[in-house]
Amino acid sequence: DQQVKQNSPSLSVQEGRISILNCDYTNSMFDYFLWYKKYPAEGPTFLISISSIKDKNEDGRFTVFLNKSAKHLSLHIVPSQPGDSAVYFCAALRTGTYKYIFGTGTRLKVLA
Amino acid sequence: DADVTQTPRNRITKTGKRIMLECSQTKGHDRMYWYRQDPGLGLRLIYYSFDVKDINKGEISDGYSVSRQAQAKFSLSLESAIPNQTALYFCATSDPIRDRDLTGELFFGEGSRLTVL
Repeated sequence: DQQVKQNSPSLSVQEGRISILNCDYTNSMFDYFLWYKKYPAEGPTFLISISSIKDKNEDGRFTVFLNKSAKHLSLHIVPSQPGDSAVYFCAALRTGTYKYIFGTGTRLKVLA
Repeated sequence: DADVTQTPRNRITKTGKRIMLECSQTKGHDRMYWYRQDPGLGLRLIYYSFDVKDINKGEISDGYSVSRQAQAKFSLSLESAIPNQTALYFCATSDPIRDRDLTGELFFGEGSRLTVL
């Protein structure tokens, strides 16, 4: 039973354009969400997070949007750069449990 | 030096062998985790620990065991390895989400690639 889903296994975007990565969750108890980026042969690295008390959080080129009613979050990367090419994972948890559940990942390729 | 260190980085073994993957951290975090990554399945939680006396099963704990030897060390064992345990394994640590200035992120090691023949 996949509680966190990333339905697009891959995405290709032209350099300079916007990349939008999507994530859906089924557990309404989740109240904290994170995005991670993973390059080959490296561990995942943290990008950005959002609490359920917010609907948007920005950090430079990265913005995460949360739609609680739809149980959906998205990561926007603007402008996309070739160095952004990686696998992106979303994760969710209920604060206090510290049990982080990850999605299946989306491979982003930014074309120069 | 890495904050979260995993050993070995690569291991090839045979079915039925006992394998231990080790993780140590210098971040001073209480919470430690083991995940495995498989193509198309993402990162799945195997076990997690909040301190040396608190061990919790994750999503896929069958066939695995763990030991929290100290605050900084968390090892994962496969008592009798089988081919479908071939995967990339990650150890991670976290800080609490009490403080609004802390992101509550997980800090990952570089991974241990295990192949079971």
